[in-house]
Amino acid sequence: GEDVEQSLFLSVREGDSSVINCTYTDSSSTYLYWYKQEPGAGLQLLTYIFSNMDMKQDQRLTVLLNKKDKHLSLRIADTQTGDSAIYFCAEISSASKIIFGSGTRLSIRP
Amino acid sequence: DTAVSQTPKYLVTQMGNDKSIKCEQNLGHDTMYWYKQDSKKFLKIMFSYNNKELIINETVPNRFSPKSPDKAHLNLHINSLELGDSAVYFCASRPDGDNEQFFGPGTRLTVL
Repeated sequence: GEDVEQSLFLSVREGDSSVINCTYTDSSSTYLYWYKQEPGAGLQLLTYIFSNMDMKQDQRLTVLLNKKDKHLSLRIADTQTGDSAIYFCAEISSASKIIFGSGTRLSIRP
Repeated sequence: DTAVSQTPKYLVTQMGNDKSIKCEQNLGHDTMYWYKQDSKKFLKIMFSYNNKELIINETVPNRFSPKSPDKAHLNLHINSLELGDSAVYFCASRPDGDNEQFFGPGTRLTVL
C-alpha cells in the first residue's frame, strides 16, 4: 500500500546544514511536499516539487528528488533556531488523497 | 485574514460524551478534509468533502461523522468518545485543480 517514511529525529548545530530524508512508495505521485509544523501551530507548506524535476531551490531550502529510488530530501542551509519544528514529507497518490510521513523532529544545538 | 480556522483549539471531555469540532475556510476552496494526528505525529486522512459530497471515507469508526452545512464549513462530530480518540485533529482545504492543501491550526482533543 501507499506509505511515506521518515526518520523521527534530527539534531544539528546552529549554522550547519540540515538534511531531512523521506522515502515513498507510490511511483505515480505527481507532487511531493514538505510541510513544517511549529509547536502549537498548524501545518505550513514549505515547498513542493513536481515529479519530473530533480531539484528545486528556494532561498535556504533545497529539495532533491530521486524518482528511481523514490527518495526525497529537504536541505536547510545555515540552520537557525527558528527552524526547530517537525517536518512532514507528503505525496499525492491520487487527485484527492495526500499521504503524510510520520514527521521528523528537527532540534537545533547551540 | 484567517484562511482555515478551527474551533475549539483545545477540547477536554469525558469518555462517552458527544462533541463537535468546527472548521471554516474563507478561501473559496472546493474540497475540505479532516485529518487525525496520532501520538507519533502521523497524519491520517479521515474525510474529504467536495461541494457537500463525500469523496473519501477512510476506515474510521462510524462514531465519527462529518457535517458540511455549506461549502465553507466542514464540521466533525464524534459520538461516544473513547480514550483512543485523544489526538490532534486538523482540518484542511484545497481548491479544484491544485494539489496544495491549506491546514487549520489543529484541535487538541483529550478524552479522560
